Amino acid sequence: SQQGEEDPQALSIQEGENATMNCSYKTSINNLQWYRQNSGRGLVHLILIRSNEREKHSGRLRVTLDTSKKSSSLLITASRAADTASYFCATGANSKLTFGKGITLSVRP
Amino acid sequence: DGGITQSPKYLFRKEGQNVTLSCEQNLNHDAMYWYRQDPGQGLRLIYYSQIVNDFQKGDIAEGYSVSREKKESFPLTVTSAQKNPTAFYLCASSRSTSGDSYEQYFGPGTRLTVT
Repeated sequence: SQQGEEDPQALSIQEGENATMNCSYKTSINNLQWYRQNSGRGLVHLILIRSNEREKHSGRLRVTLDTSKKSSSLLITASRAADTASYFCATGANSKLTFGKGITLSVRP
Repeated sequence: DGGITQSPKYLFRKEGQNVTLSCEQNLNHDAMYWYRQDPGQGLRLIYYSQIVNDFQKGDIAEGYSVSREKKESFPLTVTSAQKNPTAFYLCASSRSTSGDSYEQYFGPGTRLTVT
């Protein structure tokens, strides 16, 4: 079962703009994680936010978590062409991760 | 170099044949996972193992089997009972979970095509 649901499904922006991606989920979680996948490759972990945290930063990434709304957002600031990839949220609970279907981000040079 | 490797990158098989996908890690991780990814889809969990000689079914285990005889290795067999085996298969590992879930490190994937 896929718990995380990302929004939008696809996003196209100009280099230098910010990209905001959202994720909603249904059940209780220990943490929420974001991953990136370049075409035909494995996933790369970006950031993990625990259920008792509200915001976390890592370089150009900012993630927020609202457990009352069961939602998270990932903000990529000052996007680059190299940020073009699929982004997945994954909810962690019971020793497993459950992934959403992903968001395809295209950054135009 | 620490990491997780999968082989081969591309695999072609005829319908009715079993095929085994390799996954090896040297990160000293206790937990390992197998996922299946179909075009435009997220990852679906096939099997996972939290410790050597133990593994659990994920959401779509039917038609698959695994073994975990060594900490470093978690091979996946796609049997002839799997109705739609053509997919991209991803292996991952993480620290011991003990009820929590940590960041997972992924291999490069194996693209299996069955005709």
